[in-house]
Amino acid sequence: QKEVEQDPGPLSVPEGAIVSLNCTYSNSAFQYFMWYRQYSRKGPELLMYTYSSGNKEDGRFTAQVDKSSKYISLFIRDSQPSDSATYLCAMSSPSGGSYIPTFGRGTSLIVHP
Amino acid sequence: SAVISQKPSRDICQRGTSLTIQCQVDSQVTMMFWYRQQPGQSLTLIATANQGSEATYESGFVIDKFPISRPNLTFSTLTVSNMSPEDSSIYLCSVEMGRAPGELFFGEGSRLTVL
Repeated sequence: QKEVEQDPGPLSVPEGAIVSLNCTYSNSAFQYFMWYRQYSRKGPELLMYTYSSGNKEDGRFTAQVDKSSKYISLFIRDSQPSDSATYLCAMSSPSGGSYIPTFGRGTSLIVHP
Repeated sequence: SAVISQKPSRDICQRGTSLTIQCQVDSQVTMMFWYRQQPGQSLTLIATANQGSEATYESGFVIDKFPISRPNLTFSTLTVSNMSPEDSSIYLCSVEMGRAPGELFFGEGSRLTVL
């Protein structure tokens, strides 16, 4: 079993739809939970992060963490074609003074006009 | 934040050859990280490069295959040695810097195709 599981998709939705992206994980030591967005031919960039369980909202994006179920989600409201990208979940715990994240495979999202 | 430049952005290589990827950061950083991103696979950490010491390799990656240099606090290279088609991948350089523990800034990647 991989440490982080993420459905690669692709997920295709119409513009304006609510998108739900999810990951599960097995390592209960993870403390920080992140979502990275990667556009085609670009490196990933951090979109959102949360510490421990709970919700965090930033504009159209909401990140949710349920540590009891080892399940994290990213919701995108009113999705736009510009949201079309690969979304990678990532999670980390302290190790040797650093928090190097473990990544999921990424979910490819396509928002069509 | 950090601006990271990688060269080459892409290359097509012959089996058995080696290629060196360069990574330049616009600020001084203690650790630099090299990742591999194969099609349909997760970002996989190859090694951590600290200035002035040997790189630390993750399980499944060895120095003979992926030698790394870190001559100063803003630059690193990764060499992919004796390449085979299985090495066809995107290689990404990154640094840990930002508001959140584990927040990494990435270069745009080097896309290697081995024939």
